This record gives sequence, C-alpha cells and structure tokens, in this order.
Amino acid sequence: DTGVSQDPRHKITKRGQNVTFRCDPISEHNRLYWYRQTLGQGPEFLTYFQNEAQLEKSRLLSDRFSAERPKGSFSTLEIQRTEQGDSAMYLCASSFGDGRDTEAFFGQGTRLTVV
Amino acid sequence: QQQVKQSPQSLIVQKGGISIINCAYENTAFDYFPWYQQFPGKGPALLIAIRPDVSEKKEGRFTISFNKSAKQFSLHIMDSQPGDSATYFCAASMSGATNKLIFGTGTLLAVQP
Repeated sequence: DTGVSQDPRHKITKRGQNVTFRCDPISEHNRLYWYRQTLGQGPEFLTYFQNEAQLEKSRLLSDRFSAERPKGSFSTLEIQRTEQGDSAMYLCASSFGDGRDTEAFFGQGTRLTVV
Repeated sequence: QQQVKQSPQSLIVQKGGISIINCAYENTAFDYFPWYQQFPGKGPALLIAIRPDVSEKKEGRFTISFNKSAKQFSLHIMDSQPGDSATYFCAASMSGATNKLIFGTGTLLAVQP
C-alpha cells in the first residue's frame, strides 16, 4: 500500500474550463475527505464520503464543484467553469473507522492554477 | 466556534533548541487534537495527536500539552533539528458523523544549524 494517491499533481487551466481530479485512498479506508489549501493557510474541509455516500458538503463547495466516490473506492472532484479564485492545492485524505478513530492520511495534493 | 487559532505564524529556532507552537479553540465538543507536519509540495502528515482525557502526550522529541480548562494545546519539539524545518498545523475534530478536521493557520518553523 503506497498511501493516498492523487492525480494529477499539477494542473494549469484557463478560466472557464472544467477540471477533474482523482484520489485513490488507502485500501479499505471507508472515509474519504477533500480539503482545499491556499497559500499560507491551513487546509479547509470541502466534502466527506463514507463509503460511496457523500455525507457532508461545506458551504465552500459551490454548485460548480461536484465530487463522487463510485463503489466506495476512488473519488473524483470536478470543478466546472473554473475561476481564478479556485487556484489552490486540493488535498484528499482517507481514514478507517466507525466514528472515533480519526487518524487521517493525506495525499500529496493536486495544485490547480487557473490563468 | 469552529475556529482553531494558531500562533506564532513563523518561528526561528537554533539547532538543539525547543520549538513551541500554541493553539486555542472555542468549541468544547472537539475531542481529538492532532498536529500535522507539512513539507513544501507535500501533503500534511500526522505527527502526534491527543484526546482531552490526558494533559500530555510524548512521542520521541515531540510533546503535546493540553489544557482543557483554558481550551488550549501546544506542540513542543525538543532538540530541534534542521530536518524539522516545515510548516506545522494544529487541528481539531469531534467524534461523530464526519470527524472532519478544522485546521489552524499554520506555523512556519525554521531550525538554523
């Protein structure tokens, strides 16, 4: 097991284009999170999946953002009609447990630059 | 009430010295307090974590001190090394449906040789 894997590592896109990021969590981790991190700030929670069910979405997640986790394995985060303010590092994290164990393992992130 | 406040923003320590980073929270429902270490271009990695039923936890050179009544917790790095130079984030979460992490704003630590 090589940990949480994210692809691509870097993405440069023009304003208005759609982008999709992929996250492969640690095998058998039932919990999957997406966070966004801007320069000089801590990660901010975007959304949470327990298996294939999306159980929580942050107010930061506008209607241009959509996330999926089909079959409870990998997850994708899509941003439609990208804006310059979407430029950030998008981090995926996974963990295993039923509520109390919250040790989350992060991937290396996808750095998005919108030009 | 969801905020976690972290200080200082940056810290310079000499090799062998003690690095101290502080965090404060408001939400008394938080019951898990981890510290993450992040190197440039990498994702955060869990360093050490504590639950409010203990006042201190030590793992190697890293110690968390927890003050439940003051709603504060701190990270102490003993015998700081140049390889410890990184950004450190405190975080908090509450047991429940999501266990999402609420992060502080980070402390950039530079350990000078």
